Amino acid sequence: AQKVTQAQTEISVVEKEDVTLDCVYETRDTTYYLFWYKQPPSGELVFLIRRNSFDEQNEISGRYSWNFQKSTSSFNFTITASQVVDSAVYFCALSAGGSQGNLIFGKGTKLSVKP
Amino acid sequence: DTGVSQDPRHKITKRGQNVTFRCDPISEHNRLYWYRQTLGQGPEFLTYFQNEAQLEKSRLLSDRFSAERPKGSFSTLEIQRTEQGDSAMYLCASSAPRTTSTDTQYFGPGTRLTVL
Repeated sequence: AQKVTQAQTEISVVEKEDVTLDCVYETRDTTYYLFWYKQPPSGELVFLIRRNSFDEQNEISGRYSWNFQKSTSSFNFTITASQVVDSAVYFCALSAGGSQGNLIFGKGTKLSVKP
Repeated sequence: DTGVSQDPRHKITKRGQNVTFRCDPISEHNRLYWYRQTLGQGPEFLTYFQNEAQLEKSRLLSDRFSAERPKGSFSTLEIQRTEQGDSAMYLCASSAPRTTSTDTQYFGPGTRLTVL
């Protein structure tokens, strides 16, 4: 079975704090893809990153960074120096081999950044 | 072309009525997906098309649901005899895989359905 767990339902931080959103996944496939999406209050899912199972290099994009660790089946997302505009629900998703690409989402983490 | 579009954005209907939603994918994308998202949950996969062929359907897609993509461009999702449990956000996504591997799905703004 394939599954994505985002244990943090809601996180609240003050602007400029760093915050890490956790994602743990389960799959028996050796080839898979992991994603993060942002869903602001407007509702549209915005793609942030895709990582394949053979690439464990961490990635940094501006204030965003991602830590992929196959040993712990985790794909965590860190926002450095958070801003109010980062307030949104963040979803981690998995697409495993043979699924033709349909995504399995976690339940999401609601991040509130207060000024 | 700026992204995936969906119409309508909101739909309120009475139980038992039929509703139809439309999705226009990014123009060069040949894969199109439908998902359903209920409050406080992540999106759940419903079905997917490659060009005009419907290649996969979730068990969530009961026989009251039907999706089409007749010319391999836009898609429609119809729900017959709506039930209150159908109230949700219906999301459409599209992608353009370079190979048979998974590519990135880009989502539309969704259609929020309320069944009274």
